[in-house]
Amino acid sequence: EVQLLESGGNLVQPGGSLRVSCTASGFSFSSYAMSWVRRAPGKGLEFVSLISDNGASTDYAESVKGRFIISRDNSKNTLYLQMNSLRVEDTAVYHCAKDMDDYGEYNFDYWGQGILVTVSS
Amino acid sequence: DVQMTQSPSSLSASVGDSVTITCRASQNINNYLNWYQQKPGKAPKLLIYTASSLQSGVPSRFSGSGSGTTFTLTISSLQPEDFATYYCQQSNSRPPTFGPGTKVDVK
Repeated sequence: EVQLLESGGNLVQPGGSLRVSCTASGFSFSSYAMSWVRRAPGKGLEFVSLISDNGASTDYAESVKGRFIISRDNSKNTLYLQMNSLRVEDTAVYHCAKDMDDYGEYNFDYWGQGILVTVSS
Repeated sequence: DVQMTQSPSSLSASVGDSVTITCRASQNINNYLNWYQQKPGKAPKLLIYTASSLQSGVPSRFSGSGSGTTFTLTISSLQPEDFATYYCQQSNSRPPTFGPGTKVDVK
C-alpha cells in the first residue's frame, strides 16, 4: 500500500524558514517523480514544486521560485521542501504527491494527507 | 497559466442518482485532464487520468470524457462514500493547474 506521510509543519514568522518532509513507503520511491501541492485557507489546490526521480530536474511555481528548494533522499525514501523567506500568503496545507512516472508529467496518483504551515507574526 | 473552471460549484444529490460535473480549460489541453476526489481532512484521490482512463481500484461507476477544452466526470449511481469534493487538473502545460472544485453533498 502506497503511503505518504508529511511532517515538519509549524508556525513560523514572516521572513523565516521551515523544512517539511514527506516519508514514502509501499512503492519504489527512487523510480518516480515527486511533487508538493498546497491549499491555502479558502483557496484551491496550487502546484508548488516537482523533482524528477533522480533529483536531476526540478520545477517550481513562479510564486515560490527563488525561495523554496525541493530535494529528495532516495536512500531514505524521503522528499523535502525547504521554504525560505516565508510570507503570510504561504500559509497552507502542504501535500506531497507521487507522479505516475519517473521524469514528472504532473499526473499525481497518490497524495499525502498534508501538513499545515502557518506563517504569521 | 491555463485557467480551469468547474460547474457547478456544488450540487445536492441522493444515493443512486447520476451526477455529472463539467470542467473547462482556458485553452486546448488535448486529453491531459485528471479528476480527483477529496474528503475533509483526507488526501486527494486520483479517479481518472488522461480524461477517460480509470485509475486502478476506482469503481467503474466513475467515468470521464472530453478533449480539448471541455471535460466531464460522471458518477453513474452515487454511493454514500461518493459525497466529497471533486477537482479537475490539467497536465498539458506547466504549471499544472486545478479547478476550484465541485462539492457533492446529500440532498
